[in-house]
Amino acid sequence: AQKVTQAQTEISVVEKEDVTLDCVYETRDTTYYLFWYKQPPSGELVFLIRRNSFDEQNEISGRYSWNFQKSTSSFNFTITASQVVDSAVYFCALSGYTTSGTYKYIFGTGTRLKVLA
Amino acid sequence: KAGVTQTPRYLIKTRGQQVTLSCSPISGHRSVSWYQQTPGQGLQFLFEYFSETQRNKGNFPGRFSGRQFSNSRSEMNVSTLELGDSALYLCASSGPGEEKLFFGSGTQLSVL
Repeated sequence: AQKVTQAQTEISVVEKEDVTLDCVYETRDTTYYLFWYKQPPSGELVFLIRRNSFDEQNEISGRYSWNFQKSTSSFNFTITASQVVDSAVYFCALSGYTTSGTYKYIFGTGTRLKVLA
Repeated sequence: KAGVTQTPRYLIKTRGQQVTLSCSPISGHRSVSWYQQTPGQGLQFLFEYFSETQRNKGNFPGRFSGRQFSNSRSEMNVSTLELGDSALYLCASSGPGEEKLFFGSGTQLSVL
């Protein structure tokens, strides 16, 4: 069975601190995709990054970076020098092919990040 | 390009009633999926439609149903509402060959 675990329910940091959001996944598929989405108070989930299972390169985008390690089935997300605008709920997700050849998403329960001024 | 539009934004219903939520995907997107979000449960997959056909279904009771029209707009219906159905219902669309989902702002349903 596929599963995504975000053990951190809520994290509070002070502005300019670095923070890492953890994501651990389970899947038997050899081909799959991992995602991070951000949900601000407006409710709309916003796509941040996608990684496929064959690409373990870490990625950096501005203050955001992602560490994908297949050996530990983890796909962690780090925000450097956090800002108040980073306050949101962050979801990690896993998608893989179903038997009908379509994608199916499994989301984690989310981590609420509060960045205090 | 307009984003995913969900209506209404808020709904208040009482137990036993039924409700219909609407979702208009991004132009050109033929896949529409629905999720239920509740505190502590995260996003639970309800179903996905593609070209008016249900392709995938989550583990929800038959009170939850959906459909998709020829213009890719989708509706979901919940009959015989229960208190536990109170949640944010999110719709997402995706384009051809695209694994990334584009979400609407959701419909906040409160069942009293």
